[in-house]
Amino acid sequence: EPEVTQTPSHQVTQMGQEVILRCVPISNHLYFYWYRQILGQKVEFLVSFYNNEISEKSEIFDDQFSVERPDGSNFTLKIRSTKLEDSAMYFCASSELRDLMYQETQYFGPGTRLLVL
Amino acid sequence: DAKTTQPNSMESNEEEPVHLPCNHSTISGTDYIHWYRQLPSQGPEYVIHGLTSNVNNRMASLAIAEDRKSSTLILHRATLRDAAVYYCILRVPGPDKLIFGTGTRLQVFP
Repeated sequence: EPEVTQTPSHQVTQMGQEVILRCVPISNHLYFYWYRQILGQKVEFLVSFYNNEISEKSEIFDDQFSVERPDGSNFTLKIRSTKLEDSAMYFCASSELRDLMYQETQYFGPGTRLLVL
Repeated sequence: DAKTTQPNSMESNEEEPVHLPCNHSTISGTDYIHWYRQLPSQGPEYVIHGLTSNVNNRMASLAIAEDRKSSTLILHRATLRDAAVYYCILRVPGPDKLIFGTGTRLQVFP
């Protein structure tokens, strides 16, 4: 069964450093998402991406964050200058886009655990 | 997305049925009811969704109240692998973000 993959599984970085989290969505999917989950807290939406542009972003997704689909397979989340509070599990998700009335299922990757020291 | 209310936790024994309730009294006519679950140390995974009629799939059943103000996810025979946090989420049609609440943490005992 097709699945969303994410690399790395764990990332440790120093505060102020840039990190890039990578995701390979399911191949025929067209809609992509990033979510994060701080330890012990809810899963929170960060951003959705379609047709090479951001569709929607949350308040969390400030100027320090950016997303990109650099080629036909990868979808990346970049944090330019990490803060301690960016420590979380980051999940990538993807979905088909059949039509605007279709209840598409989002498929999640296993996550990248980011620790900012 | 409209608000949903779920119990914080539930317990079950293995091979017994589990009924996970969700209240969504402010649901609108176009909101679909989705259920996702998150196994320990994993990403969320889709379980089932419905609009008005009860739904069945290989993972679970979804029973929707006639007034749509509540729904119940039914696991017919719980296994240890079903221990997870279950999220009830209301969504409008089309591609849209998922807004997760705190969900119900299901514990399954052997």
